[in-house]
Amino acid sequence: NAGVTQTPKFQVLKTGQSMTLQCAQDMNHNSMYWYRQDPGMGLRLIYYSASEGTTDKGEVPNGYNVSRLNKREFSLRLESAAPSQTSVYFCASSQKGGTGYTFGSGTRLTVV
Amino acid sequence: GENVEQHPSTLSVQEGDSAVIKCTYSDSASNYFPWYKQELGKRPQLIIDIRSNVGEKKDQRIAVTLNKTAKHFSLHITETQPEDSAVYFCAATNDYKLSFGAGTTVTVRA
Repeated sequence: NAGVTQTPKFQVLKTGQSMTLQCAQDMNHNSMYWYRQDPGMGLRLIYYSASEGTTDKGEVPNGYNVSRLNKREFSLRLESAAPSQTSVYFCASSQKGGTGYTFGSGTRLTVV
Repeated sequence: GENVEQHPSTLSVQEGDSAVIKCTYSDSASNYFPWYKQELGKRPQLIIDIRSNVGEKKDQRIAVTLNKTAKHFSLHITETQPEDSAVYFCAATNDYKLSFGAGTTVTVRA
């Protein structure tokens, strides 16, 4: 039972490049989330999917897009990376609204 | 949306002493308050949580208290040990998504 799996673990991008962060969960959770973590700012919600087929903006959605591919998978796309998007990105899932969050291991992204 | 403030940002305690971290929230409708521990380079992991119909919850050396009237909740760690050194985050929600505090870096001195 892997829980929440994120790929890749590390990535370096040049400004203007695009990439997709992948997230998959095997716990049959309904809700999935993408957060970014920056020093001194905690975890800030980028986008979330309350259930399969729905996605909504979080606190800091600008520059990102998401796709809830199916119940298991929720991807985050950076269309044109900027240095301000250098961060650690965490995917999470939960069964019942906000409770029992399980986080992935994170993706450390550097944009140069 | 929900706004969660967390204090202090750093906390250094002597091994064996207690540590207290405090959080306030803005949305009176919030009804679920978890605490997460994050070790260096690792993912956040849930250590304890409390719901709005409970005032206090304890799990071994960790306890959480909630004051709904004042909209604040606190984490208490007793008899601290070196393995308690980590970043701790409080969070709050009344629906699907958690809003997190900025984190407290706890260092336990031997």
